[in-house]
Amino acid sequence: SAVISQKPSRDICQRGTSLTIQCQVDSQVTMMFWYRQQPGQSLTLIATANQGSEATYESGFVIDKFPISRPNLTFSTLTVSNMSPEDSSIYLCSAGGFPRVTDTQYFGPGTRLTVL
Amino acid sequence: AQSVAQPEDQVNVAEGNPLTVKCTYSVSGNPYLFWYVQYPNRGLQFLLKYITGDNLVKGSYGFEAEFNKSQTSFHLKKPSALVSDSALYFCAVREDRGSTLGRLYFGRGTQLTVWP
Repeated sequence: SAVISQKPSRDICQRGTSLTIQCQVDSQVTMMFWYRQQPGQSLTLIATANQGSEATYESGFVIDKFPISRPNLTFSTLTVSNMSPEDSSIYLCSAGGFPRVTDTQYFGPGTRLTVL
Repeated sequence: AQSVAQPEDQVNVAEGNPLTVKCTYSVSGNPYLFWYVQYPNRGLQFLLKYITGDNLVKGSYGFEAEFNKSQTSFHLKKPSALVSDSALYFCAVREDRGSTLGRLYFGRGTQLTVWP
């Protein structure tokens, strides 16, 4: 199966600061996604990270708050900007469109963020 | 609109007994259906998928799921539960868009507890 890594695995941040989460995939993929998950809850899609162009955001999420980069086919970053305690959550990176498995999305281990 | 329903927040079963975790879906076209499992403090792990072909699909760790088009269901099953199967299970659906990998829509999750 695919190997997707995320850094950091967890962090505790102060209100008003920003955190950038990195996602690295072990092979080139066509699609990368960022999700948010409250502990024990379902996943909410934040945006689709597009290689070479601006990310596509879901309703309720904006680029100023969650800027996303995708400089190549194996790497993406999500920044949580001007954080507040409401941003405390698990952030998950997902990738799909692998060379040998084109129809399945795989997930990274997640980044557990706590904002004080 | 695409959606997934997991009607049970929790399923409790004794070790050695069969287990079923229910999922129904709604899509406008042909569905691609997935089951993922999440262990505590971990990301989502892919279990199995239905894309086309046999309605009964087999996946990791002895799990299987049956696609029922008339009932729009994709229930997850295992003949004999293990304590180690205790985790949070997510059903997800994606509409068939040919070569385009669209986004997944997730159910709210079902917490499975297998007691010794």
